[in-house]
Amino acid sequence: NAGVTQTPKFQVLKTGQSMTLQCAQDMNHNSMYWYRQDPGMGLRLIYYSASEGTTDKGEVPNGYNVSRLNKREFSLRLESAAPSQTSVYFCASSDVWNNSPLHFGNGTRLTVT
Amino acid sequence: GQQLNQSPQSMFIQEGEDVSMNCTSSSIFNTWLWYKQDPGEGPVLLIALYKAGELTSNGRLTAQFGITRKDSFLNISASIPSDVGIYFCAGQSGDMRFGAGTRLTVKP
Repeated sequence: NAGVTQTPKFQVLKTGQSMTLQCAQDMNHNSMYWYRQDPGMGLRLIYYSASEGTTDKGEVPNGYNVSRLNKREFSLRLESAAPSQTSVYFCASSDVWNNSPLHFGNGTRLTVT
Repeated sequence: GQQLNQSPQSMFIQEGEDVSMNCTSSSIFNTWLWYKQDPGEGPVLLIALYKAGELTSNGRLTAQFGITRKDSFLNISASIPSDVGIYFCAGQSGDMRFGAGTRLTVKP
């Protein structure tokens, strides 16, 4: 089992460019999440999908969109990247939304210049 | 929003020493969790706590869910070099919120 797989591992974008971060899990989990990690701030929730077919905003959703493509895959899109979106992005999954631990991928390090 | 205050921010200890870190919040959580993050990797779950007052151990790690449901602590006994990393507390009531992390350095 690979667990949670994120691609790419690293990405550099220029301001205004767009890109999609991909995430897939093979644990048959119902819920999936996107977090960003910035120094000294822990992990902050961007968007989540409690179950296939649903998505909801988290703590810091501005500038992002998500798609729950199927039960396995949950992508994060930056339509017009800004330097403030330079961060490490983590995808996670859990069995149920509000009462089970999260399993994380290894992150995507994004730099926006 | 829900804020988790984790302390200390960093610790420098000698191998063999015990470590204690804690997390407090103004909000009540149904679940408290502790994660460890190694460089270049995602956080990995260490301990999950589901009931107020619960005390749970995982090898040299012990964590407690505070009786008020607003705090939790993690203890590591007899630290070893591979304990180095960033430790995060997390509270869950609905979505999961994370503390800012405790960076642990262990000197051999």
